[in-house]
Amino acid sequence: KQEVTQIPAALSVPEGENLVLNCSFTDSAIYNLQWFRQDPGKGLTSLLLIQSSQREQTSGRLNASLDKSSGRSTLYIAASQPGDSATYLCAVRNSYSGGGADGLTFGKGTHLIIQP
Amino acid sequence: ETGVTQTPRHLVMGMTNKKSLKCEQHLGHNAMYWYKQSAKKPLELMFVYNFKEQTENNSVPSRFSPECPNSSHLFLHLHTLQPEDSALYLCASSQDSEGGTYNSPLHFGNGTRLTVT
Repeated sequence: KQEVTQIPAALSVPEGENLVLNCSFTDSAIYNLQWFRQDPGKGLTSLLLIQSSQREQTSGRLNASLDKSSGRSTLYIAASQPGDSATYLCAVRNSYSGGGADGLTFGKGTHLIIQP
Repeated sequence: ETGVTQTPRHLVMGMTNKKSLKCEQHLGHNAMYWYKQSAKKPLELMFVYNFKEQTENNSVPSRFSPECPNSSHLFLHLHTLQPEDSALYLCASSQDSEGGTYNSPLHFGNGTRLTVT
């Protein structure tokens, strides 16, 4: 059974710092990995999607990497801003040996606070 | 506007009530999902519908009953719930190919905050 772990569980840094959030997964048979952001009381906003054949994806100040063989992904946030404060969730889409897929398997998230 | 709309935003119900959660997606997707988000636990996948057919039911108690009348709408019917069912219920959609390509991202709604008293 796929398990996704995110470290750290919480992080508080001053504005302007660059930071890295970590995600690991136990089963490398995945189609893709997706990073989300969740604000309090809200749904999930998709940030980046990395296909299993890709190594990284970039969007603005965000860069996500994927090392499928070692079961790891990182989300790099450059020049952090108070508006980046949120919970960041990592999720993988599992593949089955006989074909097919299910929904995403999520980690518990990293609660990020950027201090002004 | 997320493209996935859930109603109601908040719901309080007694253990003997019957209620329904509604999800509508405006993205032209062909797969829809229900997830449960409880405090201090990862999001849990409940049900998956591909092309209106239910393809997954992750051992969800029968007091939760999904319905997918068409590819744009998804319901979660609730009856005789327990207090531990209180959670944020999230709906999502994606575009998957019939040939078995599952490379599209999931798009989520803002959820329904359910409280069972």
